[in-house]
Amino acid sequence: DAGVIQSPRHEVTEMGQEVTLRCKPISGHNSLFWYRQTMMRGLELLIYFNNNVPIDDSGMPEDRFSAKMPNASFSTLKIQPSEPRDSAVYFCASSPLAGGPKYTGELFFGEGSRLTVL
Amino acid sequence: KQEVTQIPAALSVPEGENLVLNCSFTDSAIYNLQWFRQDPGKGLTSLLLIQSSQREQTSGRLNASLDKSSGRSTLYIAASQPGDSATYLCAPGAFSSGSARQLTFGSGTQLTVLP
Repeated sequence: DAGVIQSPRHEVTEMGQEVTLRCKPISGHNSLFWYRQTMMRGLELLIYFNNNVPIDDSGMPEDRFSAKMPNASFSTLKIQPSEPRDSAVYFCASSPLAGGPKYTGELFFGEGSRLTVL
Repeated sequence: KQEVTQIPAALSVPEGENLVLNCSFTDSAIYNLQWFRQDPGKGLTSLLLIQSSQREQTSGRLNASLDKSSGRSTLYIAASQPGDSATYLCAPGAFSSGSARQLTFGSGTQLTVLP
């Protein structure tokens, strides 16, 4: 089975540019999460979706960040405009829906998108 | 707010040693706890998942224990190998919005196993 797929794996951009990160969750997983990892703050949850609906976006740092999930197999995380302090590795993770027959609480992560904003 | 501490931050051992990684968390109202492995430049790989009602889980040379009341978990690695070198992350999961969603991560223990 294919795991969580993220693209691009690496992105280098200049301050002020728009950045779009993409994620394809594992087929059949109805919950999707976006995390950010930095040396200073470790792994932080930015936002998560259940059945394509955003449930908790309290971790989104600023209005410059937005996330969408137009269908069950695709999500985007957009930063506009980007700033150097946004440089980090952004992870997408998915799991079956809580309370469903396949739910164990286990989270499956993608390989991450490493963003560098100059 | 859940806070997770992992000790030690870094550990270097010779091959073949048994070792213990420690994780403590401040809020014992957790749904489960996951241990992950992260190799440099890679994503997180789930190693073990312990439900809040369980005391331990085993997978091969790995054994994770959970003492929810005291807010502690340990990851035991038996007969360590150079291939075990990685960063190990502990993540207790709490209920959020009526379902177990929020994972809070520790900063990890960076393990180096010397051949």
